[in-house]
Amino acid sequence: GQQLNQSPQSMFIQEGEDVSMNCTSSSIFNTWLWYKQEPGEGPVLLIALYKAGELTSNGRLTAQFGITRKDSFLNISASIPSDVGIYFCAGQSPGNQFYFGTGTSLTVIP
Amino acid sequence: GAVVSQHPSWVICKSGTSVKIECRSLDFQATTMFWYRQFPKQSLMLMATSNEGSKATYEQGVEKDKFLINHASLTLSTLTVTSAHPEDSSFYICSAREGASGNTIYFGEGSWLTVV
Repeated sequence: GQQLNQSPQSMFIQEGEDVSMNCTSSSIFNTWLWYKQEPGEGPVLLIALYKAGELTSNGRLTAQFGITRKDSFLNISASIPSDVGIYFCAGQSPGNQFYFGTGTSLTVIP
Repeated sequence: GAVVSQHPSWVICKSGTSVKIECRSLDFQATTMFWYRQFPKQSLMLMATSNEGSKATYEQGVEKDKFLINHASLTLSTLTVTSAHPEDSSFYICSAREGASGNTIYFGEGSWLTVV
């Protein structure tokens, strides 16, 4: 199926730094979802966004639903080693289909 | 929160045999479930969309006779890998959409399949 453009593909950062990643699409979405996947496990839902312009936080994580409805970003503040994993975005189209980003692999160096 | 459970978490089978993986939505009804395959350090690859009471919709390149999907109830979908071969070894993940037109999907924990 179709995949969303997610960037960056990978990040290597120092503990304590902030992280930013985003997903873009050529078409509009009604919902944006952000997941984290740790090795050997299924993705876990972090944040769900249902309205254009919506800004939602979950602890040190903040995500926004772009005003154009074609993008979303996820920020992680003051990263810690347990933030390591692959982060995926997903979008739900007006046609009720889900599309996934290719993932951002995050490595946090202590 | 909504919980999706997969079973088994790990399975090893002999080449030529079939193996079944279950995906259950524990606290909600899931009209639609999705099956993915994931290779190490790669993104999720959607294999098929499973709709309760009807035939699954397979993505291009996925053999429907090899990867049999059954979604007989609103809380259970199964993936059967038939006549498994070593190249079928992979991490298989399911997800479920809450309700008929839910706007959030939840993933199972994944199932590791090793074919020897």
